Amino acid sequence: GDSVTQMEGPVTLSEEAFLTINCTYTATGYPSLFWYVQYPGEGLQLLLKATKADDKGSNKGFEATYRKETTSFHLEKGSVQVSDSAVYFCALSPTFNKFYFGSGTKLNVKP
Amino acid sequence: GAVVSQHPSRVICKSGTSVKIECRSLDFQATTMFWYRQFPKQSLMLMATSNEGSKATYEQGVEKDKFLINHASLTLSTLTVTSAHPEDSSFYICSAPQWDRDTNEQFFGPGTRLTVL
Repeated sequence: GDSVTQMEGPVTLSEEAFLTINCTYTATGYPSLFWYVQYPGEGLQLLLKATKADDKGSNKGFEATYRKETTSFHLEKGSVQVSDSAVYFCALSPTFNKFYFGSGTKLNVKP
Repeated sequence: GAVVSQHPSRVICKSGTSVKIECRSLDFQATTMFWYRQFPKQSLMLMATSNEGSKATYEQGVEKDKFLINHASLTLSTLTVTSAHPEDSSFYICSAPQWDRDTNEQFFGPGTRLTVL
């Protein structure tokens, strides 16, 4: 079945460091791919998305490219800030309604 | 973007009681809403799909008599945890989709933390 695997955390970085959070997926069709962010005590917020192969989603300095050949959707940011500390979830949606989430990766950014 | 609210944000109850959680789409109509459960340090698990005007669809392994879902209107879905036990303690999150031919986006509520004593 469809599933998402993302790197375990926590990931601890210093401010202005480069961030990569790996995400790979398994899907039978051509799903849309998403990154969601969850700040402490809050619900999930959409960070970025890509709906087809080779699309690049970007928002707030974060980027991820839909790689069909490697079934990956890695999240990157060139220079993280303390305010980026949160839990990041990779997700896929094979149809309009179903979402499958990865286990989440906690990011801690230290000043 | 669209806003989804949940009420209450936190609830503590005694074992054996029932708890109702509300999910509302504030500025759009949602014929379908989704309920997720999030365990500590784990991902979201889809529990069920709430359908306005019809019965909810439950994921495999989710007890429909335990988790009652009612989609009362185009902006409101409720999840009732019946005869709650400590193992039901969790973070419950709802979502509502907005989509057209080209896009598909889910809007999530802020979550409800349930603690069963």
